Amino acid sequence: GAGVSQSPSNKVTEKGKDVELRCDPISGHTALYWYRQSLGQGLEFLIYFQGNSAPDKSGLPSDRFSAERTGGSVSTLTIQRTQQEDSAVYLCASSLWGKGASQPQHFGDGTRLSIL
Amino acid sequence: TQLLEQSPQFLSIQEGENLTVYCNSSSVFSSLQWYRQEPGEGPVLLVTVVTGGEVKKLKRLTFQFGDARKDSSLHITAAQPGDTGLYLCAGASSGSEKLVFGKGTKLTVNP
Repeated sequence: GAGVSQSPSNKVTEKGKDVELRCDPISGHTALYWYRQSLGQGLEFLIYFQGNSAPDKSGLPSDRFSAERTGGSVSTLTIQRTQQEDSAVYLCASSLWGKGASQPQHFGDGTRLSIL
Repeated sequence: TQLLEQSPQFLSIQEGENLTVYCNSSSVFSSLQWYRQEPGEGPVLLVTVVTGGEVKKLKRLTFQFGDARKDSSLHITAAQPGDTGLYLCAGASSGSEKLVFGKGTKLTVNP
């Protein structure tokens, strides 16, 4: 597709379950970002991938959160043993270069995660 | 830690009115981006400003980057219901790969 694709668009799960969120970036974009957005709030940086470099995981809120990017393309964000405070919209963005965050970021429509 | 403060947090106005949204920081940014987000969608880039004092216009929207590159403003002239959305500013620092986002201004333009 032409844009960043995220799946699922909505996910409802019970507290304590694990969830996987998927992001398919724009073809050719080497940088990929994950953000978390709580209701009506700004974006909280989670993790950044750039090419084959080690990811910047400095925004991950706990060790229950992890992410990987296979083949420099699709990325998966995994949350283990989900808690109610994990409920939020998880947004993925990609950009053409990672050389400086001034490059425009192209966002998917997000996954709305609800923990019961 | 770099922070971007946006004000006001909420703004509800009538169609045809003018408005200004502010984005302020104590930190210097190499560039600043403005995004607009509609419900159920991801943010969409409106503009990037990179030079202190720079002014960019996008139809009825005017963006300004402060001389010291610590603040920015977005002015909308004759607002329309289609301008409704969450406006986010995001700053980039030299040498950093990460954007710092403000919490956003939720704008509602009533017909």
